[in-house]
Amino acid sequence: DAKTTQPNSMESNEEEPVHLPCNHSTISGTDYIHWYRQLPSQGPEYVIHGLTSNVNNRMASLAIAEDRKSSTLILHRATLRDAAVYYCILRDPSEEAAGNKLTFGGGTRVLVKP
Amino acid sequence: GAGVSQSPSNKVTEKGKDVELRCDPISGHTALYWYRQSLGQGLEFLIYFQGNSAPDKSGLPSDRFSAERTGGSVSTLTIQRTQQEDSAVYLCASSAHRKETQYFGPGTRLLVL
Repeated sequence: DAKTTQPNSMESNEEEPVHLPCNHSTISGTDYIHWYRQLPSQGPEYVIHGLTSNVNNRMASLAIAEDRKSSTLILHRATLRDAAVYYCILRDPSEEAAGNKLTFGGGTRVLVKP
Repeated sequence: GAGVSQSPSNKVTEKGKDVELRCDPISGHTALYWYRQSLGQGLEFLIYFQGNSAPDKSGLPSDRFSAERTGGSVSTLTIQRTQQEDSAVYLCASSAHRKETQYFGPGTRLLVL
């Protein structure tokens, strides 16, 4: 399985943007890049996903490098409610077995300071 | 619309007892997944349902664990003869189809004494 590498933690000030990097140098052509976050004592929450092009939604933006070996999740204006562990995950839905499950690594713990 | 719901939210049981955990997926979602998360750990895949059948049970840790899904909707995860190492948060997720985004419930926190 293609793996991802993320920093263990990151701090941000409230109302400022947060850029969360993810390296996935062994990504395959059919892997989608997914981001989930997990707030304390809650289940994981879907944030965004993409394949090749940059993506935007109401929660965040996803910037994908041209070679797809890295990506960055961008929270445009961090709030205290954005404090969570953010997971970058690769998933190939065409794979019969691996495509059934999400494999979470260590993620990046984001601390938002008021 | 309603998200994935799970019950109970917390369960404390004694070693050796059986427990049943319930998951109500998002209405219309055909795919359903069970995971567990031990304290400070990542997600561990347990089982995947497509409709009422389970084509992937590869993550069930032992034969004490079983799951079923009825009517293409509600799923129950059963742990027999619980052990202390079964203590974890059990998470359920559903997706419209297997290839679609998975949405998680809040989890059931299981503590085996």
